[in-house]
Amino acid sequence: GAVVSQHPSRVICKSGTSVKIECRSLDFQATTMFWYRQFPKQSLMLMATSNEGSKATYEQGVEKDKFLINHASLTLSTLTVTSAHPEDSSFYICSAWTGVGNTIYFGEGSWLTVV
Amino acid sequence: GIQVEQSPPDLILQEGANSTLRCNFSDSVNNLQWFHQNPWGQLINLFYIPSGTKQNGRLSATTVATERYSLLYISSSQTTDSGVYFCAVDYKLSFGAGTTVTVRA
Repeated sequence: GAVVSQHPSRVICKSGTSVKIECRSLDFQATTMFWYRQFPKQSLMLMATSNEGSKATYEQGVEKDKFLINHASLTLSTLTVTSAHPEDSSFYICSAWTGVGNTIYFGEGSWLTVV
Repeated sequence: GIQVEQSPPDLILQEGANSTLRCNFSDSVNNLQWFHQNPWGQLINLFYIPSGTKQNGRLSATTVATERYSLLYISSSQTTDSGVYFCAVDYKLSFGAGTTVTVRA
């Protein structure tokens, strides 16, 4: 089946620094990718939708200047958490859609800890 | 947006038992999917089921779109079935709060 890879799987960064998380579709072209965050023992909350070559669409309440999303190619989307704070610590997970059919494939997720 | 409610929030099963998880949604949907999140966070797509019934091994799902609910059935549960089961609807996948299933040997 289709594979979506996220990197890094775990990252620890210092407060005030920025960290980039990559989401790659390994064996298909993803016209649309989605970014979610999940706090411990909670559900997934959609942060933004990114389409290749255009600006991401952010959900209400998500700071677009803090969570920079770039979908530069049909196989890569990146999420950069800028000026990270401890409250940004969370599990971030991406998903990708081919644009055909209805199945959406999820990456393995990335655990971010800001100290 | 569409509201998604899952029940029960927690479920403890003895190995071999059967169970039913429910997902209610507040409006008509074109997309409904069930996922299993394992203890390491990986989300596995179980079913795409906006309507009708599907079966895959010991798992099956039924969605009654006119009544805005979906059911996920787990039969002969195994310890590997433990984890959180999510129902998600619509194009952007609005997730319910999930049902945490613990299967004890």
